[in-house]
Amino acid sequence: DAGITQSPRHKVTETGTPVTLRCHQTENHRYMYWYRQDPGHGLRLIHYSYGVKDTDKGEVSDGYSVSRSKTEDFLLTLESATSSQTSVYFCAISELGQLQPQHFGDGTRLSIL
Amino acid sequence: GQQVMQIPQYQHVQEGEDFTTYCNSSTTLSNIQWYKQRPGGHPVFLIQLVKSGEVKKQKRLTFQFGEAKKNSSLHITATQTTDVGTYFCAGHTGTASKLTFGTGTRLQVTL
Repeated sequence: DAGITQSPRHKVTETGTPVTLRCHQTENHRYMYWYRQDPGHGLRLIHYSYGVKDTDKGEVSDGYSVSRSKTEDFLLTLESATSSQTSVYFCAISELGQLQPQHFGDGTRLSIL
Repeated sequence: GQQVMQIPQYQHVQEGEDFTTYCNSSTTLSNIQWYKQRPGGHPVFLIQLVKSGEVKKQKRLTFQFGEAKKNSSLHITATQTTDVGTYFCAGHTGTASKLTFGTGTRLQVTL
């Protein structure tokens, strides 16, 4: 498996609190992605990064922000968590180019009460 | 926006039976990738198809990309319990860097 570490793996928090999820890679891949996975919706892209300090929105970006200050780290922040953001969050990486596969981390299960 | 639907959502088969999942996009795709996610696990890349009408095989798995590059299928011959999981298709459109995933098909295999 690709060297991708997500932390934390599980988190329970309350509505209104800020939450930051971290994705760390050791593959030196240029592209990094954050997805959320919910029953019946598959994987939906939240934000992605195509380089240090270069990020763009996905299809479900409202309520989320990201930062990438180093090649190896991509942070996802929920500024004020809501119950609708309860989900499993996956980070993925890929090399440059559309024809490259994405490699996923083990996921973070986030519950917002 | 682009939508990618998969059918069926769920299928339960007995070991040895065949299985097929279908992937349909609302827009023409540049390529199609297939991923498998075991229960409790993360998606794992299986294969990629790029050319119109392309067919690729991996042992008991056969993948096909439609002539119009808007649909794809995955066929598993003689399923085994190790095939259990959710199968996702995913595709790029144009020159976009973003991959759009299908809704997934969950396969359950029993003895």
